[in-house]
Amino acid sequence: EDQVTQSPEALRLQEGESSSLNCSYTVSGLRGLFWYRQDPGKGPEFLFTLYSAGEEKEKERLKATLTKKESFLHITAPKPEDSATYLCAVQTFTGFQKLVFGTGTRLLVSP
Amino acid sequence: SAVISQKPSRDICQRGTSLTIQCQVDSQVTMMFWYRQQPGQSLTLIATANQGSEATYESGFVIDKFPISRPNLTFSTLTVSNLSPEDSSIYLCSVGTGDTEAFFGQGTRLTVV
Repeated sequence: EDQVTQSPEALRLQEGESSSLNCSYTVSGLRGLFWYRQDPGKGPEFLFTLYSAGEEKEKERLKATLTKKESFLHITAPKPEDSATYLCAVQTFTGFQKLVFGTGTRLLVSP
Repeated sequence: SAVISQKPSRDICQRGTSLTIQCQVDSQVTMMFWYRQQPGQSLTLIATANQGSEATYESGFVIDKFPISRPNLTFSTLTVSNLSPEDSSIYLCSVGTGDTEAFFGQGTRLTVV
């Protein structure tokens, strides 16, 4: 069974305090790993897709990396507006584009 | 990218009734997905809806409870039938644009009283 585990469940940072969120996965065959941001009361907002170990993608203060067993979302010098839940999801070769999600990391950045 | 409009954004329904949620996409897509997000939890796939064929349901979800229509390449509906308080959740539709991205609607927050 495909599984995705995210840690920590919650993270509180001071503005400017860099950190990383972890997403570990066990799948039959990884087609892609997706990162989303979700604000309260809204649908997930697409951030990145990673496909192969060693791949990295960046967007503003966020950088996502991928290994054969896990992915990290690095947040550099976060701002309060980065506060959200960050979701990781995997897509497999046998899953026909469906996504299997982790439980998310709730990030709170204080001024 | 794809823009997805979901209606209604929220509703409060009585036990035993049904709610139909609409999902409209601004471009033609082959596959549409319906997810459920229970309070404080992550997203779980309910079913995959392909145009012109029956929806494919995930384990634990059945057509009688969650009937889905997919009349064309830009539209789908999900009905949640015979509502109980346990159905109180956020329901989300999603589309994939090839293999690179997957976009979500804003969600429908359902409260069953």
